[in-house]
Amino acid sequence: EIVLTQSPGTLSLSPGERATLSCRASQSLSSRYLAWYQQKPGQAPRLLIYGASTRATGIPDRFSGSGSGTDFTLTVSRLEPEDFAVYYCQQYGSAPYTFGQGTKLEIK
Amino acid sequence: QVQLQESGPGLVKPSETLSLTCTVSGGSISSYYWSWIRQPPGKGLEWIGYIYYSGSTNYNPSLKSRVTISADTSKNQFSLKLTSVTAADTAVYYCAVEGDYMGFDHWGQGTLVTVSS
Repeated sequence: EIVLTQSPGTLSLSPGERATLSCRASQSLSSRYLAWYQQKPGQAPRLLIYGASTRATGIPDRFSGSGSGTDFTLTVSRLEPEDFAVYYCQQYGSAPYTFGQGTKLEIK
Repeated sequence: QVQLQESGPGLVKPSETLSLTCTVSGGSISSYYWSWIRQPPGKGLEWIGYIYYSGSTNYNPSLKSRVTISADTSKNQFSLKLTSVTAADTAVYYCAVEGDYMGFDHWGQGTLVTVSS
């Protein structure tokens, strides 16, 4: 099983700032199979990024993904009030599919 | 636009079987991989397993002995059965579909299942 470790656990920032979230895999992943999701309270997760760096349909360009091998990053270039949520990375190249434990992005 | 909707009992007694159905609209389950994912209250996401349109399945080893996922293409539905439940199985259960190399691009709204006597 591939373990994904996200850091930090909580990130406190202000609107307009840049957010950088990390996801580290216990073994090398094909970049094609790394996704990022945003989840707000009481809602299902929403796909933001797939294939490590491709934005899903309708996702603003302030969200970007990068990385390869075992280290992946989600960047939000200028935080909007609606971006404060929990973010999960996920690998879907090797069963069992696994998720990171999440990073909570909170308003400072 | 594909839409998914979970349905089933919100309360299950310990040692009994949890049964949920996901109804798909706006698309056919005769393609792609259809998964169940759960999230205990206040915790992270756990993939339970998937069924492929061909009928093949793949389960999380942590749950494999208790899980069955099946599909009814005539109703455009797929289902989850989890046997011998305990309080640790209390969670919001989501159904979701993988797009081509995309991860889970469509999700149901989720349904809370509580295991309690």
